[in-house]
Amino acid sequence: GAGVSQSPSNKVTEKGKDVELRCDPISGHTALYWYRQSLGQGLEFLIYFQGNSAPDKSGLPSDRFSAERTGGSVSTLTIQRTQQEDSAVYLCASSFGVGANTGELFFGEGSRLTVL
Amino acid sequence: GNSVTQMEGPVTLSEEAFLTINCTYTATGYPSLFWYVQYPGEGLQLLLKATKADDKGSNKGFEATYRKETTSFHLEKGSVQVSDSAVYFCALSPSGGYNKLIFGAGTRLAVHP
Repeated sequence: GAGVSQSPSNKVTEKGKDVELRCDPISGHTALYWYRQSLGQGLEFLIYFQGNSAPDKSGLPSDRFSAERTGGSVSTLTIQRTQQEDSAVYLCASSFGVGANTGELFFGEGSRLTVL
Repeated sequence: GNSVTQMEGPVTLSEEAFLTINCTYTATGYPSLFWYVQYPGEGLQLLLKATKADDKGSNKGFEATYRKETTSFHLEKGSVQVSDSAVYFCALSPSGGYNKLIFGAGTRLAVHP
């Protein structure tokens, strides 16, 4: 498909385990974003990648969270030593980069993480 | 700092009723404003946007006007349909920034026949 693809769609893990969430952006989009959607909360910005620039990590809630983007395309969000408060839906979005500030982000369907 | 506040849901309406979902914002400078919609089982998608004061965004019968004097961007539709049932998110993009959107908490709309 031509949309943003995320995997897994659902992940259940035990407290203390590490998890990796994957995002395949739309081909040609240079910007990639991770957001977190907790129950009853809005979308919380986590991290932003634009081309080869240093990522904006200002939204990462702790040093247990990290993300990388390989080859300017696929991104992986890693959560180490998961805690119950990490349970949420993790959303990935992509867009055309700076200079095309239309505000139109294209979102995937999200990865639902449950930490037991 | 930048923030978005929108009315809590759920909002429950009968088909053909008038819809208003309130959204107010706090921002420095001149942000762009957006409404995104999340239909059941789907990802968020852009519904409409406005990039400067007094602009009106519109799409699929929905409208919202950028009101700088009241820092508001309320979403309206004159006659809702069952297919409009979804979660609606108000968002802003800080002025001069890239597409880093700041979202409200979302408002769930349920439309009954």
